[in-house]
Amino acid sequence: GAVVSQHPSRVICKSGTSVKIECRSLDFQATTMFWYRQFPKQSLMLMATSNEGSKATYEQGVEKDKFLINHASLTLSTLTVTSAHPEDSSFYICSARSGGDTEAFFGQGTRLTVV
Amino acid sequence: QKEVEQDPGPLSVPEGAIVSLNCTYSNSAFQYFMWYRQYSRKGPELLMYTYSSGNKEDGRFTAQVDKSSKYISLFIRDSQPSDSATYLCATSRVGGDMRFGAGTRLTVKP
Repeated sequence: GAVVSQHPSRVICKSGTSVKIECRSLDFQATTMFWYRQFPKQSLMLMATSNEGSKATYEQGVEKDKFLINHASLTLSTLTVTSAHPEDSSFYICSARSGGDTEAFFGQGTRLTVV
Repeated sequence: QKEVEQDPGPLSVPEGAIVSLNCTYSNSAFQYFMWYRQYSRKGPELLMYTYSSGNKEDGRFTAQVDKSSKYISLFIRDSQPSDSATYLCATSRVGGDMRFGAGTRLTVKP
């Protein structure tokens, strides 16, 4: 399957700071990227969908000013958690899909801990 | 009602057993069906991808879709301890985002 690389895999930051997570498709062009959040022993919760060159579409209840998503190229999307708080601590996962394909491939996930 | 329902388990079976994992979905517009395997603290890995009703086999894994009853299944034959993971079913429309089930935690005991 296609490869999606997510970085960093783990980050600890202080409350009030911002954290950027990168998601790269290594061997295909990702026209659409998805960002998910996952709490322990729970399923994936879609946060937003981004299409290359367009503004991201956020799911209801997700603050777009807090979770900034940029999808400036066909191989890179970033999620920035701004002014992070301890309640933002979670596992964040990106996935990427190419063109008309419907299956998506996931990154390895980023475990964010805000202290 | 959730768009995709999946029993979270946990499910524990002995090595060599046949495992049956199931999901139901509510929206008949969903046309694509996927099963992902997620190991602890890792991103999900695509296992199976199907489009139409019927069976699709890949090694020890068989995905089954019944669109008439909106029911999807994943069967694992000769289960191994390395199959211990959380299995997520997912559905999507053409060009639409995916909807996931809650995930079933499977443990295969040696």
